[in-house]
Amino acid sequence: DQQVKQNSPSLSVQEGRISILNCDYTNSMFDYFLWYKKYPAEGPTFLISISSIKDKNEDGRFTVFLNKSAKHLSLHIVPSQPGDSAVYFCAASWGGNEKLTFGTGTRLTIIP
Amino acid sequence: DVKVTQSSRYLVKRTGEKVFLECVQDMDHENMFWYRQDPGLGLRLIYFSYDVKMKEKGDIPEGYSVSREKKERFSLILESASTNQTSMYLCASRRNLVGNEQFFGPGTRLTVL
Repeated sequence: DQQVKQNSPSLSVQEGRISILNCDYTNSMFDYFLWYKKYPAEGPTFLISISSIKDKNEDGRFTVFLNKSAKHLSLHIVPSQPGDSAVYFCAASWGGNEKLTFGTGTRLTIIP
Repeated sequence: DVKVTQSSRYLVKRTGEKVFLECVQDMDHENMFWYRQDPGLGLRLIYFSYDVKMKEKGDIPEGYSVSREKKERFSLILESASTNQTSMYLCASRRNLVGNEQFFGPGTRLTVL
């Protein structure tokens, strides 16, 4: 049972425009969410996180939005740059648990 | 900077071989994890360790075991490799604080023939 879902396997966006990556979850116990970015042949790197007590967190060009009632989070990248081309994973945890549950990933391609 | 290193970037083994994947972190993190990444399935947790000599099964532990004798090192063992264990294996570590992110190594691409 996939508790964290990324329904778009791929996304293409023009350079300079906004990229929006989506993630849905089913477990209402989740209270901490993270986004990771992964280049080919490298391990994932942490990008941004959000606690369930917030509905938005911003870090430079990256903003994560959390809609708890819809069990949905999204990552906005503005403006998109060629170096943003990568696979993006969302992940969730609850109760300070060490374990993360990952989504299946979305491959983002930025078109120059 | 946190550094997580994995012993091999690429490995090719034969069916039935015993395989050891090693992971070392240099930031004194309590928690360490082993994942495998497969297309369309994302990252799936195999085993994790919340401290030395402590281990807990993840979501897909079958066919794997782990060892953590020292805090900085976490080993994944495939007792008898099979072709369905061909995958990208990723190790991660984390400080044992609420909300603290996991830091990943570069991964080991294992092919079992």
